[in-house]
Amino acid sequence: GAVVSQHPSRVICKSGTSVKIECRSLDFQATTMFWYRQFPKQSLMLMATSNEGSKATYEQGVEKDKFLINHASLTLSTLTVTSAHPEDSSFYICSASGPGTSGGMDIQYFGAGTRLSVL
Amino acid sequence: AQSVTQPDIHITVSEGASLELRCNYSYGATPYLFWYVQSPGQGLQLLLKYFSGDTLVQGIKGFEAEFKRSQSSFNLRKPSVHWSDAAEYFCALRGNKLVFGAGTILRVKS
Repeated sequence: GAVVSQHPSRVICKSGTSVKIECRSLDFQATTMFWYRQFPKQSLMLMATSNEGSKATYEQGVEKDKFLINHASLTLSTLTVTSAHPEDSSFYICSASGPGTSGGMDIQYFGAGTRLSVL
Repeated sequence: AQSVTQPDIHITVSEGASLELRCNYSYGATPYLFWYVQSPGQGLQLLLKYFSGDTLVQGIKGFEAEFKRSQSSFNLRKPSVHWSDAAEYFCALRGNKLVFGAGTILRVKS
């Protein structure tokens, strides 16, 4: 299957600093990438959807100025958590889909996630 | 609106026993359905998917799922569970976006 790499796997930062998380599709062109947030013992909540070369579409309640998403190429999307605070601590997961990733129907393939801890 | 319900938060089965994880969905059109598995601290791995055609779909690791339109269900099954199957399982529905159920944590006892 298609491979999505997410980096870093874990990051600890001080309150007020910014953190960048990278998501790469390694063996396919990801026309669309997704960013999710997962709280402990809860399901994944979609934060935003980004199409290559376009501005991201954010879900209701997600602050676009706090969670900056860039999808500048067909293999890379980044999520920057700006001025991070302890309440931003969470598990962030990206996924990617592209044309024909499975029999003509786009399927989302997920990265391994990033554990963000803000002190 | 689209939604996915996984009624069981936790399930414990003995190694070698059969497994069924329940998933019910609500969606006004033809659903595209998925099962993903997540190990602790990891991302999600696709187990299987249903788009159309045969309502019994086979996936990886010996899993299968059956789509029943009349019951709005897409239950995941495995005839004999292995200790390595212990993880959290998510059912998901793709409508205008991918929506996940709350997940079912599977524990396997030896």
